[in-house]
Amino acid sequence: AQSVTQLDSQVPVFEEAPVELRCNYSSSVSVYLFWYVQYPNQGLQLLLKYLSGSTLVKGINGFEAEFNKSQTSFHLRKPSVHISDTAEYFCAGRTGGFKTIFGAGTRLFVKA
Amino acid sequence: DGGITQSPKYLFRKEGQNVTLSCEQNLNHDAMYWYRQDPGQGLRLIYYSQIVNDFQKGDIAEGYSVSREKKESFPLTVTSAQKNPTAFYLCASRGPTNTEAFFGQGTRLTVV
Repeated sequence: AQSVTQLDSQVPVFEEAPVELRCNYSSSVSVYLFWYVQYPNQGLQLLLKYLSGSTLVKGINGFEAEFNKSQTSFHLRKPSVHISDTAEYFCAGRTGGFKTIFGAGTRLFVKA
Repeated sequence: DGGITQSPKYLFRKEGQNVTLSCEQNLNHDAMYWYRQDPGQGLRLIYYSQIVNDFQKGDIAEGYSVSREKKESFPLTVTSAQKNPTAFYLCASRGPTNTEAFFGQGTRLTVV
């Protein structure tokens, strides 16, 4: 079955600390992998995507993610978070077809 | 500017009424999607359309209907048959050379 699993529903972290948001995927959705960010009452904005090639992908706002085929993971990281990073983050995957499968989301809460 | 416009941003509906959510894109994308978002459940696919005059049911199509008469428009009707329609609805589109979907700002529907 196709699935994307985000292992943490909420992640609280202090400002300027590093953060990792975890995502595992099933092999059937591993062709393309994405991380999106959603601010309250807004749509989703693409942070980064993995298509092929280098397993370390850099995105906007200082985020990066590492594709790990052996562990079927695509974890999102940022070395130093800001208050403005408080949002919900979605991991997603797509095969070559038309459907994108989304994880349940991880709410990142950055504390001062 | 190119993008996806959803309207209205907030919508209130009485029980037993049908309502239509608008989604318009000027990105010249062929594929369009409707998702429903509930807290802690991520995004669930309602309907999608790969081309004008064609659409397919997603994972939770019951109680919803769509049309695709024009490339730029993909309205969603929430019918009285939808038992729990209160949710945040997101429209997205994707072009043939894009790997990721682009999202509108969403419509929050509340049944009163």
